[in-house]
Amino acid sequence: DVKVTQSSRYLVKRTGEKVFLECVQDMDHENMFWYRQDPGLGLRLIYFSYDVKMKEKGDIPEGYSVSREKKERFSLILESASTNQTSMYLCASSPPSGLTDTQYFGPGTRLTVL
Amino acid sequence: SQKIEQNSEALNIQEGKTATLTCNYTNYSPAYLQWYRQDPGRGPVFLLLIRENEKEKRKERLKVTFDTTLKQSLFHITASQPADSATYLCALGVGGGNKLTFGTGTQLKVEL
Repeated sequence: DVKVTQSSRYLVKRTGEKVFLECVQDMDHENMFWYRQDPGLGLRLIYFSYDVKMKEKGDIPEGYSVSREKKERFSLILESASTNQTSMYLCASSPPSGLTDTQYFGPGTRLTVL
Repeated sequence: SQKIEQNSEALNIQEGKTATLTCNYTNYSPAYLQWYRQDPGRGPVFLLLIRENEKEKRKERLKVTFDTTLKQSLFHITASQPADSATYLCALGVGGGNKLTFGTGTQLKVEL
């Protein structure tokens, strides 16, 4: 079974803090994704990565950066957290396109920025 | 503009009935469409995938149809059970690389 884990289920940070959200997958997947989910807006793609050290912007990358130094780990970084980044953050992984196009999600991190 | 629309209002049905959820999209040409289930406080879980050249897919009590002319997918759960209560998300495969664009989801409540 594919397992995607996220470092925290709940996180509370203060405005201006640097925040790191970690995601680890154990299935040797090439592709990894970061989303945020807000009521009424659904899941929105922040960044994704096709391979180690590769990253591409999604639909809402502003205020975020990512790091993928190892294949199994994809980190989302909020350089200076703001209250409008309070949200549920979901990480996902998937094998290369063509094998299967499904994504496997972690349990999510609910981030509150005060 | 590009849009994916799912019923924003919750769907309440009685146990044993068939639940039908709708996903409509505009200004997309998806190679495939997927349905996910999401329980409160958890990540989405994949249910079914249907490709642009397929009309219908089934898996146990689940059935998905895909009409690229109408730009619509219907998701059916037959013989629904209270355990089917969850939010169901449709997602379009666009742009390659396993990238998905999600709808906002429809909450289904199956009552005894």
